[in-house]
Amino acid sequence: GENVEQHPSTLSVQEGDSAVIKCTYSDSASNYFPWYKQELGKRPQLIIDIRSNVGEKKDQRIAVTLNKTAKHFSLHITETQPEDSAVYFCAASKGYSSASKIIFGSGTRLSIRP
Amino acid sequence: DAGVIQSPRHEVTEMGQEVTLRCKPISGHDYLFWYRQTMMRGLELLIYFNNNVPIDDSGMPEDRFSAKMPNASFSTLKIQPSEPRDSAVYFCASSFLQGADTIYFGEGSWLTVV
Repeated sequence: GENVEQHPSTLSVQEGDSAVIKCTYSDSASNYFPWYKQELGKRPQLIIDIRSNVGEKKDQRIAVTLNKTAKHFSLHITETQPEDSAVYFCAASKGYSSASKIIFGSGTRLSIRP
Repeated sequence: DAGVIQSPRHEVTEMGQEVTLRCKPISGHDYLFWYRQTMMRGLELLIYFNNNVPIDDSGMPEDRFSAKMPNASFSTLKIQPSEPRDSAVYFCASSFLQGADTIYFGEGSWLTVV
């Protein structure tokens, strides 16, 4: 089955700097890659996703890139702010199907230093 | 819509007791998921339902765990008997489609077994 590996497990960056979180997946049939953000004590929430027909997607200060050949994808946060502090989860799935599960990575705890 | 609603939000119980967690998915969502989150194992998918039918329960840790979905607006996750290692945050979530759609999480049920 699909396996998603995520690193680093913890990341600390200075406010205003950029943060990058990387994930690799094992199943070449995977074609949907969402990212979820979980603030302390809160529920995970989708922040951005990318499908395999595009290589990059941006939404204000966040962007995701996908390299299908290498089977890895990354989350980029620019101009980090205190409210970016959270745990971020990457995930992968094989698309729309009742049997297609979204498999989550182990999470990255991002801390923004003032 | 009020989102995915879970109860109880917090529960402390003694080892050996039965625990029942409840969930009301977002109206119109055909898929319902139960996840468990711990520091050691991250976010684990326990079971998911499609139109009230269990599709994949391969993540259920053992026979002490059971889940039901008697109708489109209600699901339960039961642990009997509970053990200290069951202490975790249990999230219920729902989505309209499966595999490549946004998963909406509830606020979680924080379970402590002493």
